[in-house]
Amino acid sequence: KAGVTQTPRYLIKTRGQQVTLSCSPISGHRSVSWYQQTPGQGLQFLFEYFSETQRNKGNFPGRFSGRQFSNSRSEMNVSTLELGDSALYLCASSLGPAPHYNEQFFGPGTRLTVL
Amino acid sequence: GENVEQHPSTLSVQEGDSAVIKCTYSDSASNYFPWYKQELGKGPQLIIDIRSNVGEKKDQRIAVTLNKTAKHFSLHITETQPEDSAVYFCAAIPNFGNEKLTFGTGTRLTIIP
Repeated sequence: KAGVTQTPRYLIKTRGQQVTLSCSPISGHRSVSWYQQTPGQGLQFLFEYFSETQRNKGNFPGRFSGRQFSNSRSEMNVSTLELGDSALYLCASSLGPAPHYNEQFFGPGTRLTVL
Repeated sequence: GENVEQHPSTLSVQEGDSAVIKCTYSDSASNYFPWYKQELGKGPQLIIDIRSNVGEKKDQRIAVTLNKTAKHFSLHITETQPEDSAVYFCAAIPNFGNEKLTFGTGTRLTIIP
């Protein structure tokens, strides 16, 4: 069974631009969560989607948004990029939403660099 | 919300010896505790998890113990090998409400050949 895939793997943007990252969950998994990973802050939760609905959101500004499609694929968007948005963005999929389905499987991440 | 503390932040162990990483959590309602291993350039990989209805779980050279009273859980790796070198993260989540996985800050484990 294929794992979680994320595209693109690497991205370089400049301040003020916007970016869209994509995540395809494991086949049969209906829940997708997004995390930001930085050396200083560790793994921080962005949001969780299940059945095309955002179920939970972390403490990030409104510049960070996401959505989920009917095939469970998810995208996240960051507008008006700032230098501090440089990070590894990780997507994780699970069979269903937390807390009932807690096993999460991560993709390889998208490395975003903002110049 | 939940708060997870993880120690140590770095750990160097001679090949063949054991490694122990410890985490404490704050929310007594947390009942699921996974451990992830992250190798360079990759996403975190779930290596073992434990639920609050058991005190210990083992999978070959890896074991996790849970002390609900003290609100701490630990990862034990025996007979360490060079491929065990990675960053390890613990996490916790309650079993109700609209909660999310909260991660520890990670432990960089280095196995010295």
